[in-house]
Amino acid sequence: DAGVIQSPRHEVTEMGQEVTLRCKPISGHDYLFWYRQTMMRGLELLIYFNNNVPIDDSGMPEDRFSAKMPNASFSTLKIQPSEPRDSAVYFCASSSGVPQHFGDGTRLSIL
Amino acid sequence: DAKTTQPNSMESNEEEPVHLPCNHSTISGTDYIHWYRQLPSQGPEYVIHGLTSNVNNRMASLAIAEDRKSSTLILHRATLRDAAVYYCILTRVDFNKFYFGSGTKLNVKP
Repeated sequence: DAGVIQSPRHEVTEMGQEVTLRCKPISGHDYLFWYRQTMMRGLELLIYFNNNVPIDDSGMPEDRFSAKMPNASFSTLKIQPSEPRDSAVYFCASSSGVPQHFGDGTRLSIL
Repeated sequence: DAKTTQPNSMESNEEEPVHLPCNHSTISGTDYIHWYRQLPSQGPEYVIHGLTSNVNNRMASLAIAEDRKSSTLILHRATLRDAAVYYCILTRVDFNKFYFGSGTKLNVKP
C-alpha cells in the first residue's frame, strides 16, 4: 500500500509567486483533508472533501488559498499570491472513516 | 470546540510502561476520543480511539474514566521509536473535524 503521496516534499519560492501543492490519497478512500502545521498554531484543518466535494472549508485562512479535487485520486492546494506567513508544513490525509492516514507533508518556505 | 489538556512533555525509560494523560472535562456524550502521534519529520499517525469502554490494539491501550472527563493512553513497553508528540483529540458533531492541541512530547531514554 503506497500510502498518501504528497508532492513536492520541499518548496522554496519567493513572495508573490503561485504555489501548488499536490496530494494523491489512498485508493478507495472517500475523504481527503488538508492541514497546515506551524510552530505558533500547531496542526490546523484547512479543508476537507467527501467524494471529491468540499464539505468544510472554514479553516481556509484567506481567499489566497484554494483547494480542488478534480477526481478521487488527486487534489491540489493552491496559494496565490504567496506570502512569507504561509511558510509551514502542509499535510494531506485521507480516510474512509477512522483512521485518517497522513502523508509526509510538504515543507513550504516563502522568502 | 471540545478542549483537551495534556502535559507538554513526559519522559520514560525504554521497555517500561508509559501512561499519557488527557483531560477533557467538557466532553459530551457523543464525543469520540482519538489519539494520534507524530514522529519527527513525519505526518501524524493513528494510535487508537474510543467512546466509553477501554480499548486495546497492537499499539496501545486507551483507558477512559467512568465519567469520561479524562482518558489515558498506555504504551505497555516503550521503545525508542515511540518518542513522538502524542495528541489527544475529541471529535464533536462532525466526526471528521480534528482539532489538534499542542500534544505531549514523549522522550524515551535508553
